[in-house]
Amino acid sequence: KNEVEQSPQNLTAQEGEFITINCSYSVGISALHWLQQHPGGGIVSLFMLSSGKKKHGRLIATINIQEKHSSLHITASHPRDSAVYICAVRENTGNQFYFGTGTSLTVIP
Amino acid sequence: DGGITQSPKYLFRKEGQNVTLSCEQNLNHDAMYWYRQDPGQGLRLIYYSQIVNDFQKGDIAEGYSVSREKKESFPLTVTSAQKNPTAFYLCASSIGRGRELFFGEGSRLTVL
Repeated sequence: KNEVEQSPQNLTAQEGEFITINCSYSVGISALHWLQQHPGGGIVSLFMLSSGKKKHGRLIATINIQEKHSSLHITASHPRDSAVYICAVRENTGNQFYFGTGTSLTVIP
Repeated sequence: DGGITQSPKYLFRKEGQNVTLSCEQNLNHDAMYWYRQDPGQGLRLIYYSQIVNDFQKGDIAEGYSVSREKKESFPLTVTSAQKNPTAFYLCASSIGRGRELFFGEGSRLTVL
């Protein structure tokens, strides 16, 4: 049983396209994180959110607590956005983190 | 710059050998974690430590050991008891348990 489900697993886009990655979770959470993992393996935190919407440059993250769903949007995608995007949630009881399996994004010039 | 340093980045080991992965942070974070990443799976928690000289098992601790003698350091030993040790290992830290995670660059272990 996966506490966090992401879709799609793989995504290929043309440069400039608008991209959406979805995340659904089944546990009560205190926060949701979007992470970016580059081919070298290191992981960078993009967003941490517990309600509403956050924007950073071309990236937008939204969360609907009632529906237990979050989306990560990339506007005007660029080849440098190619990476694996991971959704992670922090459970609101034991502070445990649960991670999705990631969405592998490739942006073609 | 503040951050987390993992070493080595790549490591090859023969079956039956123990190997230790290093993780050092200069973020002054109290909590540190070790995760294992396998293809097609989410990160899984091996061990975590909330304070010096204290650590707790995660979901997949069997075959691994850790120590936390200094706030900055949280080394992971992969022992010969770990049946399937080939994986990508990520160290992370946070100000406190459950707070935002900061990750290292990872160590890829291959058992020959």
